[in-house]
Amino acid sequence: EAGVAQSPRYKIIEKRQSVAFWCNPISGHATLYWYQQILGQGPKLLIQFQNNGVVDDSQLPKDRFSAERLKGVDSTLKIQPAKLEDSAVYLCASSLEGRAALGYTFGSGTRLTVV
Amino acid sequence: AQSVTQLDSQVPVFEEAPVELRCNYSSSVSVYLFWYVQYPNQGLQLLLKYLSGSTLVKGINGFEAEFNKSQTSFHLRKPSVHISDTAEYFCAVSEGGSQGNLIFGKGTKLSVKP
Repeated sequence: EAGVAQSPRYKIIEKRQSVAFWCNPISGHATLYWYQQILGQGPKLLIQFQNNGVVDDSQLPKDRFSAERLKGVDSTLKIQPAKLEDSAVYLCASSLEGRAALGYTFGSGTRLTVV
Repeated sequence: AQSVTQLDSQVPVFEEAPVELRCNYSSSVSVYLFWYVQYPNQGLQLLLKYLSGSTLVKGINGFEAEFNKSQTSFHLRKPSVHISDTAEYFCAVSEGGSQGNLIFGKGTKLSVKP
């Protein structure tokens, strides 16, 4: 089966600019996650979707970050305006509905550099 | 609240030597435990997981881990490492239940030297 697709792979922007990342999960995976991985740290959950509804966005900085999952398939994560501390790898993952315990499938990530 | 502590940020080891990467967790409820591996410029790949049953779990690439409830540990081991095992390894915990999301440790960089 095809894996989790993410684009772009790399992005460099100036602070205060906006940026968007795209994720296409594995077909049939109802649950989708966005994680932020800052250099030297483990991934941190930003938002979890179940189909097109938000399950957990408690750690999403809502003043600048937004995410949507229209039609319960693809998802986009947006940052506006970006700050230097947003430099990180943004990982998308997906899992079968109610089967998170089986493990997630991660995409290769988008490496964002804010200068 | 759950948390995961990976005690070593870097572990250098010679090829064919054994290795143990340590992981401790804290949680007030039963948990599921995972080890993921991340190769440079790639996403995370599941190595193995503990859900229930036997406390010794075997995974891919010859890795295994042992769940120790009394010590709240889930250490990862491999009896003989290869150069290709050089990567970053993340321990993660999910509170019991199918909907729990993963909480990750900070990672351990394993460097295998010839």
